[in-house]
Amino acid sequence: QLQLQESGPGLVKPAETLSLTCTVSGGSISTSSYYWGWIRQPPGKGLEWIGSIYYSGSTYYNPSLKSRVTISVDTSENQFSLKLTSVTAADTAVYYCARLGYMTTAKYYFDSWGQGTLVTVSS
Amino acid sequence: DIQMTQSPTSLSASVGDRVTITCRASQSISSYLNWYQQKPGKAPKFLIYAASSLQSGVPSRFSGSGSGTDFTLTISSLQPEDFATYYCQQSYSAPWTFGQGTKVEIK
Repeated sequence: QLQLQESGPGLVKPAETLSLTCTVSGGSISTSSYYWGWIRQPPGKGLEWIGSIYYSGSTYYNPSLKSRVTISVDTSENQFSLKLTSVTAADTAVYYCARLGYMTTAKYYFDSWGQGTLVTVSS
Repeated sequence: DIQMTQSPTSLSASVGDRVTITCRASQSISSYLNWYQQKPGKAPKFLIYAASSLQSGVPSRFSGSGSGTDFTLTISSLQPEDFATYYCQQSYSAPWTFGQGTKVEIK
């Protein structure tokens, strides 16, 4: 069964860089049918898609965050990572990694999620 | 970006009730609409894709309908484990966007 697990610091200082890694187990990140992505949820609020990556390294980002976001993939470790630069308190959120599936009838959908990790931006 | 608006923001219902949640897109998204369920402290769970197709393992009391800009999620007979927050998400065009959520609470 596919599992995704986020890891990284739970506290980041303002203006610094948030770095998280998602480790995929129970399946290969190099599967041709899927993208892999990051979604965040500020405390008590809704969900925001950050960006996604294909195992080849092809990426696409939410334009609202694009200038600060980098997503990368390490197929040898079956992991993908998120870097968000110049963070502020507004970036405090639970960060989820997820698998992004594709079907002709549905286009893209998030069908498997990690448990999420809370990242707080504070000095 | 395509804006997704859900209504109501929250609702109170009893076990056995029929519950309907509405999601409206700011432009036509055909049937490219997904639904998720999220319980407190947990990750969202994928329920429905393409507006009306149930993900494998999802109980048949859940159903979805709609196309264009207006969509609904219906729970035919609310069960205790269904109390949660529900989100719609459009997959018509990036950036993928979610509704603000509808919290289903116990009456």
